[in-house]
Amino acid sequence: DTGVSQNPRHKITKRGQNVTFRCDPISEHNRLYWYRQTLGQGPEFLTYFQNEAQLEKSRLLSDRFSAERPKGSFSTLEIQRTEQGDSAMYLCASSFGGTASGNTIYFGEGSWLTVV
Amino acid sequence: AQSVTQLDSHVSVSEGTPVLLRCNYSSSYSPSLFWYVQHPNKGLQLLLKYTSAATLVKGINGFEAEFKKSETSFHLTKPSAHMSDAAEYFCVVSARNNDMRFGAGTRLTVKP
Repeated sequence: DTGVSQNPRHKITKRGQNVTFRCDPISEHNRLYWYRQTLGQGPEFLTYFQNEAQLEKSRLLSDRFSAERPKGSFSTLEIQRTEQGDSAMYLCASSFGGTASGNTIYFGEGSWLTVV
Repeated sequence: AQSVTQLDSHVSVSEGTPVLLRCNYSSSYSPSLFWYVQHPNKGLQLLLKYTSAATLVKGINGFEAEFKKSETSFHLTKPSAHMSDAAEYFCVVSARNNDMRFGAGTRLTVKP
């Protein structure tokens, strides 16, 4: 399977703990995106990388959130000192080139986070 | 800034009848527009996309959408609904900064 892979698929954590999600994009894709989706809502953009450079961050990405893509391949999204409001599905996506040019981005199946 | 508005949060149709999911967009630049489908506990799948070529775009599973600049709309249609079409559908706009903005989604229910 050469699609976008996310791990873990589900995570339950206690409030205040740190969590990390990993995303492995489609191998030839130079762009990698993180989105957050809560129940009943559409995905909201968090950040994106072109190769290893983080080019844009949403205001939703508070200082408790950090994303990295150290070698331009896989990416991690870490949430420190989790809060109940962080409970959501975190979606990773990748593309070759920008979406403004009509390039398709491909989504993983998401990582569900529940903060108790 | 760009945004999309999906005009119906829930659409219910009978199997074999037409489907219409409505989307209006706002963009300062010529946008690229997409429709994605999300089945329960599944990832988002691209149905079709518009990128300033033909205004009538055909996608997978018999879906199509028409870009109407004058109406700033990009409605999704299908002539005959199938039970397997029941899912959440998202209209998406992307403009120059490559920031894809999703609508709130339309839940499609298909009755037997």
